[in-house]
Amino acid sequence: AQKITQTQPGMFVQEKEAVTLDCTYDTSDPSYGLFWYKQPSSGEMIFLIYQGSYDQQNATEGRYSLNFQKARKSANLVISASQLGDSAMYFCAMRGSTGGFKTIFGAGTRLFVKA
Amino acid sequence: NAGVTQTPKFRVLKTGQSMTLLCAQDMNHEYMYWYRQDPGMGLRLIHYSVGEGTTAKGEVPDGYNVSRLKKQNFLLGLESAAPSQTSVYFCASRTGGQSNEQFFGPGTRLTVL
Repeated sequence: AQKITQTQPGMFVQEKEAVTLDCTYDTSDPSYGLFWYKQPSSGEMIFLIYQGSYDQQNATEGRYSLNFQKARKSANLVISASQLGDSAMYFCAMRGSTGGFKTIFGAGTRLFVKA
Repeated sequence: NAGVTQTPKFRVLKTGQSMTLLCAQDMNHEYMYWYRQDPGMGLRLIHYSVGEGTTAKGEVPDGYNVSRLKKQNFLLGLESAAPSQTSVYFCASRTGGQSNEQFFGPGTRLTVL
């Protein structure tokens, strides 16, 4: 069975500093993808970044990077130079290569950026 | 291009009533998903579809039924609503391929009294 774990219910970061949001996963699929989404207080889900299990390099998208450690089964999101607009819920998600390619989500981490 | 739309945006039901939530996408996506979001539990997959005419169970399918008669629409039905089904429901769709992200609708807030 697939499982995503986000152990940080809430995180605080000072504006302009970097922050790491933790995500660990469990799967027996030989190939899988990992995603991060942002959910602001307005409620919409915004895709941030993707990492494939066979990708050699860590994914980056602007201020977002994914620290992928396959042996540890972790896919942490790093946000550099935090901005007030980064305050939101962040969800880690995984899609396997079996079982119909369903995507499952973690419980989320609420990030608060302080001015 | 409207993306993914959900109807209705809000609904209040009494226990035992039935209703159908409609999800529509205009991006010709093969895959469609229904999730529910509860505080502290993230998004949990209810049902999903890998193509027109196909559906499959997700993590929490009990009490829900779905249909995908047309490629662009994915319907979620509650036959006999229960207070435990009070939640925010999100629909999502995507193209094939493992790396493609899901596009989400705005959500439906459902309260069952």
